Amino acid sequence: AQTVTQSQPEMSVQEAETVTLSCTYDTSENNYYLFWYKQPPSRQMILVIRQEAYKQQNATENRFSVNFQKAAKSFSLKISDSQLGDTAMYFCALMGMTGGGADGLTFGKGTHLIIQP
Amino acid sequence: DSGVTQTPKHLITATGQRVTLRCSPRSGDLSVYWYQQSLDQGLQFLIQYYNGEERAKGNILERFSAQQFPDLHSELNLSSLELGDSALYFCASSVGVPGQGSNEKLFFGSGTQLSVL
Repeated sequence: AQTVTQSQPEMSVQEAETVTLSCTYDTSENNYYLFWYKQPPSRQMILVIRQEAYKQQNATENRFSVNFQKAAKSFSLKISDSQLGDTAMYFCALMGMTGGGADGLTFGKGTHLIIQP
Repeated sequence: DSGVTQTPKHLITATGQRVTLRCSPRSGDLSVYWYQQSLDQGLQFLIQYYNGEERAKGNILERFSAQQFPDLHSELNLSSLELGDSALYFCASSVGVPGQGSNEKLFFGSGTQLSVL
């Protein structure tokens, strides 16, 4: 079974600061993908960034980057120059690729990120 | 807009009743996933269909069933509803070609908020 753990239920930072959200996971698969999804108050699930486990290079998307430590099974999200619109629940998720990803995503419990003006 | 359409957006019903949630995937996507998001359980994978066939089952109750039709839209049927079934139900779609790892990018609909009174 796969598990995803987010140990920070809530975080609060000032606008323009940098914040890092933590995520650890466990899987027996060698081939998998990791994701961060954002869920704003509108409740829409929005893909922020994804990382392929076989790639050593950390993924980046504008102000969002990850620190992927495969041996430690750690996948943290860094948000630089945080903006008010970044306020949301952030979910870390894992997809094992055995069977072509048929089992979908395993999600963590989420971190509620609040950006203060 | 993710391109995944879910109807209705909100549904209020009583215990013991039966409801149907509908999902239209993005154009060209063959895979449909159903997820349940509740306060106590978090985001849980329910079931996946690929091109009309069931591919994987997660934590789906026996009172729940789903199907994917020839036009690729999917329906999630929830019966004998209980208070604990109140949740946000998401549908997600992906290109979903088996064995090619293309299931790794899921696009989520806006969800159906189910309230069982």
